[in-house]
Amino acid sequence: GAVVSQHPSWVICKSGTSVKIECRSLDFQATTMFWYRQFPKQSLMLMATSNEGSKATYEQGVEKDKFLINHASLTLSTLTVTSAHPEDSSFYICSARWGTQVDTQYFGPGTRLTVL
Amino acid sequence: AQSVTQLGSHVSVSEGALVLLRCNYSSSVPPYLFWYVQYPNQGLQLLLKYTTGATLVKGINGFEAEFKKSETSFHLTKPSAHMSDAAEYFCAVRGSGNTPLVFGKGTRLSVIA
Repeated sequence: GAVVSQHPSWVICKSGTSVKIECRSLDFQATTMFWYRQFPKQSLMLMATSNEGSKATYEQGVEKDKFLINHASLTLSTLTVTSAHPEDSSFYICSARWGTQVDTQYFGPGTRLTVL
Repeated sequence: AQSVTQLGSHVSVSEGALVLLRCNYSSSVPPYLFWYVQYPNQGLQLLLKYTTGATLVKGINGFEAEFKKSETSFHLTKPSAHMSDAAEYFCAVRGSGNTPLVFGKGTRLSVIA
């Protein structure tokens, strides 16, 4: 099946710094990428949807200035957590899809962010 | 809009026993339904999906699920639990077009030796 990678797999940073997480589709062109956030022992919550070359669409309650999403190419999307605080600590998972067919959404392995 | 409800945040079964994880959905359009499994500190792995056609769907690792429109359900079953099945299971739904997956809250499956 298709492969989606994330980097880094885990990151620890100090409060107030910014962290960038990369999501790559390794063997297909992702027309759409999704970013999810998962708190411990909870479900995945959709943060935003991004289409290549256009601005991301954020879900209600997600601060677009805090969670910057860039989908500059068909194989790369980045999520930057700006001025991170301890409450931003979470597991961030990206997902990539090509086309709109039902079964073409693939998930990355996730990035564990810990903000001290 | 679509949503899913997973009944039971934690299910515990004995090794070799039947596994039944419940999922009910709400959708204003014909739904596409999925079950994913997540092992600790890992991403999601697709177990199975229902799109159209046969309502009984077989997936990996011996799991299967049946789409029942009259009950708006898509319960996941496995005849005989194995220790390696212990994980978090998520039911998800989406509509047609470029819509994202919407996940349930998840059910943690524990398997007791």
